[in-house]
Amino acid sequence: DTAVSQTPKYLVTQMGNDKSIKCEQNLGHDTMYWYKQDSKKFLKIMFSYNNKELIINETVPNRFSPKSPDKAHLNLHINSLELGDSAVYFCASSQGGGLAGEVETQYFGPGTRLLVL
Amino acid sequence: GQNIDQPTEMTATEGAIVQINCTYQTSGFNGLFWYQQHAGEAPTFLSYNVLDGLEEKGRFSSFLSRSKGYSYLLLKELQMKDSASYLCAAMDSNYQLIWGAGTKLIIKP
Repeated sequence: DTAVSQTPKYLVTQMGNDKSIKCEQNLGHDTMYWYKQDSKKFLKIMFSYNNKELIINETVPNRFSPKSPDKAHLNLHINSLELGDSAVYFCASSQGGGLAGEVETQYFGPGTRLLVL
Repeated sequence: GQNIDQPTEMTATEGAIVQINCTYQTSGFNGLFWYQQHAGEAPTFLSYNVLDGLEEKGRFSSFLSRSKGYSYLLLKELQMKDSASYLCAAMDSNYQLIWGAGTKLIIKP
């Protein structure tokens, strides 16, 4: 069983399009994250949700909108895609985390490789 | 600002030992994580240190010095499958992970 899964694995699209990436975890974790890993391999946190509530919202363009229908799912919708959005997007989850007093290991999904042409 | 520094690339020989260093500067500190990332795959958890000293886990060990803002990952008896990027990440006072760019480790026969 895959612990953290993402779809699609590859996404090639044209500039200006709108696309969504889905993430699901079956670990029973309370917290989920979206990261962007650019060509220089830095992992940058974008969003974090705890029990469906947004707890981290880094400075990302408002073209990016996360949605958490339940604590096992965190989807990422991107409007008006730009060339600079090309990257690998990783979803991750942890038991707690993102809240004061909780140090938890994060478990990552396989990544979605987004290429904007 | 917050910053993580680690070497971009290292090369080692199969069967040998390699040490990957990491220095960090964060607003507060709640521990240091090491992750392994094979090319085209997700990062996977290796170790977590919050107290000074060495934590050993099989062929891999991780060391932390809080006063120096320094950690290293030690890999022994290197195998070809250890070829990967090794990511250092420090957790700040908001319990948010600050990531380094990773060290690409190349193992030669």
